[in-house]
Amino acid sequence: DAGITQSPRHKVTETGTPVTLRCHQTENHRYMYWYRQDPGHGLRLIHYSYGVKDTDKGEVSDGYSVSRSKTEDFLLTLESATSSQTSVYFCAIREAGEAGELFFGEGSRLTVL
Amino acid sequence: RKEVEQDPGPFNVPEGATVAFNCTYSNSASQSFFWYRQDCRKEPKLLMSVYSSGNEDGRFTAQLNRASQYISLLIRDSKLSDSATYLCVVNELGGKLIFGQGTELSVKP
Repeated sequence: DAGITQSPRHKVTETGTPVTLRCHQTENHRYMYWYRQDPGHGLRLIHYSYGVKDTDKGEVSDGYSVSRSKTEDFLLTLESATSSQTSVYFCAIREAGEAGELFFGEGSRLTVL
Repeated sequence: RKEVEQDPGPFNVPEGATVAFNCTYSNSASQSFFWYRQDCRKEPKLLMSVYSSGNEDGRFTAQLNRASQYISLLIRDSKLSDSATYLCVVNELGGKLIFGQGTELSVKP
């Protein structure tokens, strides 16, 4: 299995609080991604990174920010969590190249009360 | 309109049936295409890549039609173990990977 871990795996927080999810890889892959998954929507891309300090927005980036200061870590931050951000968040990594396979973490379940 | 769209499903089929899924994409500059499988809200895993010439892996056949901007997945001789959600994925420019909503397949005895 690809070396990718997400933390925390489960979190319950209150509306208005900041939340940071961490994705850590040991594969030295160039690309890293954050997705959220909700019933009826499949996986929706929040932000992705194509290198250290190089990030771009996805389909549903409003309310989220990311940082990648090291190859191995990709952080997703909710500055002020809302109930609509209750979801399962998946991190994924991929080697460079068009055909590179996505490897996913096990997901982080976030509940915003 | 979502950039990548799939048949809504669910598909309920008997064992041994042939089932086909389609997926359309809106970005004509998209570079590469994939089918992923996801079991019971676990992490998705690659099923197969989709090549312009079409490709086959055992009971699974994937095809790409660039002119009409769709990809398809055909599963022959369905097994109970094929029950899962199938997700199409499109690699847009710059490594931006977009998923379809997913199609749920349930294979019944």
